[in-house]
Amino acid sequence: QLQLQESGPGLVKPSQTLSLTCLVSGGSISNGAYYWNWIRQHPGKGLEWIGYIYYDGSTYYNPSLKSRLTISVDTSKNQFSLSLSSVTAADTAVYFCARLRSYASGSYPFDHWGQGTLVTVSS
Amino acid sequence: QSVLTQPPSVSAAPGQKVTISCSGSSSNIGKNHVSWYQQLPGTAPRLLIYDNDKRPSGIPDRFSGSKSGTSATLGITGLQTGDEADYYCGTWDSSVSAALVFGGGTKLTVL
Repeated sequence: QLQLQESGPGLVKPSQTLSLTCLVSGGSISNGAYYWNWIRQHPGKGLEWIGYIYYDGSTYYNPSLKSRLTISVDTSKNQFSLSLSSVTAADTAVYFCARLRSYASGSYPFDHWGQGTLVTVSS
Repeated sequence: QSVLTQPPSVSAAPGQKVTISCSGSSSNIGKNHVSWYQQLPGTAPRLLIYDNDKRPSGIPDRFSGSKSGTSATLGITGLQTGDEADYYCGTWDSSVSAALVFGGGTKLTVL
C-alpha cells in the first residue's frame, strides 16, 4: 500500500525558507505514470495546489508561487521536497504531499495523499 | 476566489440523496476531466471520483459523478452520518496561467 509522509519544521520565522520533505513508501517515485505534488490548505480554507515534480526532475509550479518555490526529488531516497522562500504569515497552512496520475484523456486525479503537516509562520 | 465555484454548504437527512455542483469555464471543466475529493474533519482529502464519473476501488457506488459542459456534479445517495465532510472538485485549468485548480469546497451536513 502506497504511503506518503510529510516531515519538516512546524514553525518557521517570517522571511525565512520553509522546507518540507515527503517520503514515499510502498511504491517507487520513479514510476513514470505519476507526478509528485505539494498542496496546501490555509486554516479553515480550501485546497491550493503548489506544484509538482516528475521523477526525472522536471517541474511545474503554480504561477502564483513560482517566484518563491523549488521542488526537488531524490530518487535514491524515494522522496521529494518543497522549499518556499521569503515566507509570511500568509504561508501558514497544512501542507500535503500527494501523488497525481496523468491520463491522456485530460484527467489528473490526486489518488494518494499524505496526512499533512501544519506549518506556522511566526516570529 | 476559487477558479471553480461550489456551494458553501448543503444538507440532507440520513438515507436521502444530495448533489454538489462545481461550476467552471471552457478553460478548465469544459476542456478537462473532473475529480472529486472527500475530506473528513482533521484528515487528508480522499479521492472519490476521477475522470468525471469513475470511482477508485473501495469507493462505494453511493457516490457518483457527472459532467456537462462547464459544470460537474457529485451525487451521494443513501446518506450516512459518516458522510459529513468537506467535498472538493478539482481539474486542470488550461488558461494562460495554467494550473491544477480546486473548488472552494462544500460542507455536507447530514441532519
